[in-house]
Amino acid sequence: GIQVEQSPPDLILQEGANSTLRCNFSDSVNNLQWFHQNPWGQLINLFYIPSGTKQNGRLSATTVATERYSLLYISSSQTTDSGVYFCAVELGQGGSEKLVFGKGTKLTVNP
Amino acid sequence: DSGVTQTPKHLITATGQRVTLRCSPRSGDLSVYWYQQSLDQGLQFLIQYYNGEERAKGNILERFSAQQFPDLHSELNLSSLELGDSALYFCASSRGEGVPQHFGDGTRLSIL
Repeated sequence: GIQVEQSPPDLILQEGANSTLRCNFSDSVNNLQWFHQNPWGQLINLFYIPSGTKQNGRLSATTVATERYSLLYISSSQTTDSGVYFCAVELGQGGSEKLVFGKGTKLTVNP
Repeated sequence: DSGVTQTPKHLITATGQRVTLRCSPRSGDLSVYWYQQSLDQGLQFLIQYYNGEERAKGNILERFSAQQFPDLHSELNLSSLELGDSALYFCASSRGEGVPQHFGDGTRLSIL
């Protein structure tokens, strides 16, 4: 099956720093989503980005589908950015879909 | 707030027991998905329903079953529970293909 690899597995930053998280996938996909799992376990949608670049405040994401990777940029990090960031690729067709998740990047932002 | 409601938030039970997890999708969403998050397996897709019909199946054990009712809410039934079934179970919903899935807050299941 498809492999979804995220790097780095762990990242520790000081508040105010910038970071780039990477997601590589081994085959063509329909779509790609980025999620933030906060310390309470909630999975928050960040981006739905099959290709191109999107921005939302201090966060932006770029997916290059032809090269099978996506990047999540976090600028001016805050302690509330701490948690685990997952990328998930969507597979399936004809009304049958599933998300395949990477193992995540655990981000810790220190004050 | 994603609009997807899962109950209960926490469930503690013993090995061999049976539990039912419930999910109400966002208004207008016809697809419901179930995922399991465990320490060793990560986040894994279990099953998808669309308007009451099973559409896709993942790594769902035979001891687990699900259904989607006419009002579009879904239930995941877990039986003959084992210690390894302890996990966070998420429900997600979407309008269908080509749109994002939105996740509920999950049900944390602990097997003692």
